[in-house]
This record gives sequence, C-alpha cells and structure tokens, in this order.
Amino acid sequence: KNQVEQSPQSLIILEGKNCTLQCNYTVSPFSNLRWYKQDTGRGPVSLTIMTFSENTKSNGRYTATLDADTKQSSLHITASQLSDSASYICVVSEGSSNTGKLIFGQGTTLQVKP
Amino acid sequence: DAGVIQSPRHEVTEMGQEVTLRCKPISGHDYLFWYRQTMMRGLELLIYFNNNVPIDDSGMPEDRFSAKMPNASFSTLKIQPSEPRDSAVYFCASSSAYAGSFQETQYFGPGTRLLVL
Repeated sequence: KNQVEQSPQSLIILEGKNCTLQCNYTVSPFSNLRWYKQDTGRGPVSLTIMTFSENTKSNGRYTATLDADTKQSSLHITASQLSDSASYICVVSEGSSNTGKLIFGQGTTLQVKP
Repeated sequence: DAGVIQSPRHEVTEMGQEVTLRCKPISGHDYLFWYRQTMMRGLELLIYFNNNVPIDDSGMPEDRFSAKMPNASFSTLKIQPSEPRDSAVYFCASSSAYAGSFQETQYFGPGTRLLVL
C-alpha cells in the first residue's frame, strides 16, 4: 500500500535552533516529492519539489533532501524563526507520468518558542 | 492576482442541511482541486478538474458529495445532506499543470471551515 509517514508528529524548539523533519514513503513507482508549509488557518504553501534525480534542494533556510533508494526525505530548517511555527506536509506523487496520484503525509507540527 | 478565492470562510449548519462551498481559481490555471483536511485524516484530495472537466473523483467520500465546474473561473463543492462527520476544512487549489507533475506549483485557497451540528 502506498503510504507517506512523517515524524515526529509534533516538535517544539527554541528560536534560532535548527531542526529536521522526516518523511518516509512506500510509494511506487515514484514521481516526485514535495514539502508544503501550512500556517494555522491558512492553506498549504509549496516549499520544494524534488524528482528522484535530485538529492538536495534549498529554499532560503529550508533544505530538503531526498534518498530515492531508501525512500526517505528530510526537511532541515536552519536558524529557526517564530514564523516557522506551522505544519509541514510531505506529499509524494505516484506514477511514472505527470498524472500520478498524490499521497499525503499526516504532517509535522512545529512550534518555535522565543 | 488575488490568489485562489474561497467562500464562505466559515460555515455552521445543522445535520441534514445542504452545504455549498465555492471556489474561484487563479486566472489562467487549467487545474482545480478540492481537498478536505481533518485532524484524524490529514489532507485528502477529493476531486480535481482539468479544463472544467472532472478527471478523478475517486476521493469523494460518498454520493452526498458532488462538485461542479461550470466555467474556468468558478467551482462548487456541494454536500447534501450534510452530516457531523463532514466537519472539516475544505480547501480549493489551482495550478497551471497537473498537481503531480514536475513543474507544477499548486496554489491553495484559505479554506472553508465547515461545522455540521
């Protein structure tokens, strides 16, 4: 069964600290993986999109990694800010074409404290 | 562009009533998606349209749910009759390419928070 598992479920860190969120998937065949950030009361916003040939992709203080062999991805946040407090959702696209099904993770809720 | 517009932002209704959620996608986007988000199940894709045509409605939970896209700038998601378990946040999103494609960036609306009593 195609699944996307995220860990931890929730995380609390102090402002300025780094953190890493994990995403493991069993989706096959794999097309691409994306990370979304969802602020409370808002819709998700895309952070990164990675295909199987990409190992690392950065978007400011956010760096996503992908290991297609182990089917793992991580989202690393550097020098966290209060505005990073949000849910982070990992989404994997199934299939070898551009019309594969989207498989969503449950998300990791991050709280950055001053 | 104003982004994806959804209305209403909040809806409280009683069980058995009909609920209609509305969405205006970003101009020029060919794809429109309806999602439901709950604490228990996270974000779920309900249905998506391409050029106003429903392509995949396999995520629609049951016949009480229906979605239409009469033109490129408007879509509705209707629940009739509504039940308490339908309480969730419903998001509409649009993109210029399919959501699973390499180049796509999907833009979400602010969501409609639905509470069925």
